[in-house]
Amino acid sequence: EAGVAQSPRYKIIEKRQSVAFWCNPISGHATLYWYQQILGQGPKLLIQFQNNGVVDDSQLPKDRFSAERLKGVDSTLKIQPAKLEDSAVYLCASSFSGGHPETQYFGPGTRLLVL
Amino acid sequence: RKEVEQDPGPFNVPEGATVAFNCTYSNSASQSFFWYRQDCRKEPKLLMSVYSSGNEDGRFTAQLNRASQYISLLIRDSKLSDSATYLCVVAPYNTDKLIFGTGTRLQVFP
Repeated sequence: EAGVAQSPRYKIIEKRQSVAFWCNPISGHATLYWYQQILGQGPKLLIQFQNNGVVDDSQLPKDRFSAERLKGVDSTLKIQPAKLEDSAVYLCASSFSGGHPETQYFGPGTRLLVL
Repeated sequence: RKEVEQDPGPFNVPEGATVAFNCTYSNSASQSFFWYRQDCRKEPKLLMSVYSSGNEDGRFTAQLNRASQYISLLIRDSKLSDSATYLCVVAPYNTDKLIFGTGTRLQVFP
């Protein structure tokens, strides 16, 4: 079974530029999560989707971050404009359905460096 | 106060040693508890769930103390391949949101 796919794997941009990350969850997984992991810290949930609806975006900095999952499958996370403190690994995870936290599977992440 | 607190380490131990990691959480309504393992520059992967009765998986033993809001992970007979960061993870009641600690780094040397 294919795992969670993410692209790009690495991205270097200058501050104030825009960037977008893409995630393709495991086939059949209804729930999709975006996490931010800053160096030396654990992942922090940014947004959770159930199919194409948002379940939790309480920790998403909405002035600069946006995410969508229009058809309930792939998802994109965008940062516009980027700040230095956005340098982090952005992890996408998916699970078959909500309510079972132990079944989240993580993708390899996108490593972002903002200069 | 952080929701999940861990000693970041690093813990440097020789092969064959026994090592224990501890973690505390602040939300008494937390429902589910896990240990994840994260290798350098890789994604986190579930190591084991933690149950109130305690549970064991080979050389790994996890325990939960709800009264003290404390979780532990014991690794016996450490292997070089155990070198990684161990993340303590808590899920609040009635959600599947995962709240991660900062992780404890383990380095096993020959």
